[in-house]
Amino acid sequence: QQQVKQSPQSLIVQKGGISIINCAYENTAFDYFPWYQQFPGKGPALLIAIRPDVSEKKEGRFTISFNKSAKQFSLHIMDSQPGDSATYFCAASEGSTLTFGKGTMLLVSP
Amino acid sequence: DTGVSQDPRHKITKRGQNVTFRCDPISEHNRLYWYRQTLGQGPEFLTYFQNEAQLEKSRLLSDRFSAERPKGSFSTLEIQRTEQGDSAMYLCASSLAMGTSVKLFFGSGTQLSVL
Repeated sequence: QQQVKQSPQSLIVQKGGISIINCAYENTAFDYFPWYQQFPGKGPALLIAIRPDVSEKKEGRFTISFNKSAKQFSLHIMDSQPGDSATYFCAASEGSTLTFGKGTMLLVSP
Repeated sequence: DTGVSQDPRHKITKRGQNVTFRCDPISEHNRLYWYRQTLGQGPEFLTYFQNEAQLEKSRLLSDRFSAERPKGSFSTLEIQRTEQGDSAMYLCASSLAMGTSVKLFFGSGTQLSVL
């Protein structure tokens, strides 16, 4: 049972464009929703996170939008840059562990 | 803060052999996690420790897997009688238990290849 469903699997965006990655979850007990960024050969690194009592959180070019009733959340990367090319994972936690989505490979073309 | 360090970075072994990986967490972090990641997938939770106590184990952690965290500092993950299906990246992460936010800091992982 996949508890966190992520889409798309891959995404190509032109430099300066907006990258949007979506996640959906089933478990209403999840209470913390982070996004991680992973470069080849490295472990995932925390990018931004949100709690379900907030509908949006923005940090620099990265924004999380959260829709509690739809059980969906998304990552928006504004003014995407080639350096943003990486794999992005959404995740959710209930208690002390994180459950990850399958990831989205983002390529930002110059 | 030197980050989470894992050793070795790569391990190639033959089926049936035992392997052991080490993880050194961020020094002030009291929680330590092991995750497994296969190509094209997200990290999958295996187990975690708070200090030296192993508090949760995933059903993915078969009897051939054992993890320890003596003295609540570094941790080891041993896989006995390795199988080809064990080939994966084994990621260690640490965190400081604070409220309900699970902020994991990952190491660069140990890539295991079982031939």
